[in-house]
Amino acid sequence: KAGVTQTPRYLIKTRGQQVTLSCSPISGHRSVSWYQQTPGQGLQFLFEYFSETQRNKGNFPGRFSGRQFSNSRSEMNVSTLELGDSALYLCASSFPTSGRASEQFFGPGTRLTVL
Amino acid sequence: EDKVVQSPLSLVVHEGDTVTLNCSYEVTNFRSLLWYKQEKKAPTFLFMLTSSGIEKKSGRLSSILDKKELFSILNITATQTGDSAVYLCAVEALHSGNTGKLIFGQGTTLQVKP
Repeated sequence: KAGVTQTPRYLIKTRGQQVTLSCSPISGHRSVSWYQQTPGQGLQFLFEYFSETQRNKGNFPGRFSGRQFSNSRSEMNVSTLELGDSALYLCASSFPTSGRASEQFFGPGTRLTVL
Repeated sequence: EDKVVQSPLSLVVHEGDTVTLNCSYEVTNFRSLLWYKQEKKAPTFLFMLTSSGIEKKSGRLSSILDKKELFSILNITATQTGDSAVYLCAVEALHSGNTGKLIFGQGTTLQVKP
């Protein structure tokens, strides 16, 4: 069974631009969560999508948004990029009915650098 | 505000040493505590702990949870260079709609020298 995939793996943008990251969950998984990882703040929860609906949300500004498609693939968008948005963005998927964050499988991440 | 704190933040040991990593938490609606290992890629699951005092063991790694004192430790005995990684502690908190979300600590960077 293929794991969680994220594209692109690396991305360089400049301040003020916007970016879209993609995550394909494990086949059969319908919940997708996004996390931001930085050296200073560690891993922080961004949001979770289930059946095309945002189910949970972390404490991030409105510049961070996401969506989920009917095939469970998810995208995350960051508008008006700031230097502090440079981070590793991790996506994790989980089996549909459990509702348990613990049964998450992580993708390899997208490394975003904002210049 | 929910918080997970790990210590130390970094650690350098030699092969064969035993290390203890610490994780303390203040989380509303605690559900479980998890340990992950991250080696420059996706975090990989190590342990999930839900009950106090019950040790989970996998090879040279073991972990235990104290729900009264709100902390957990991860022990690695006879360390090897392949144990070099960032070890993440996360607490699953019950969220709306009976779903859970993970709150991570800052991680402990372990370097094992030959």
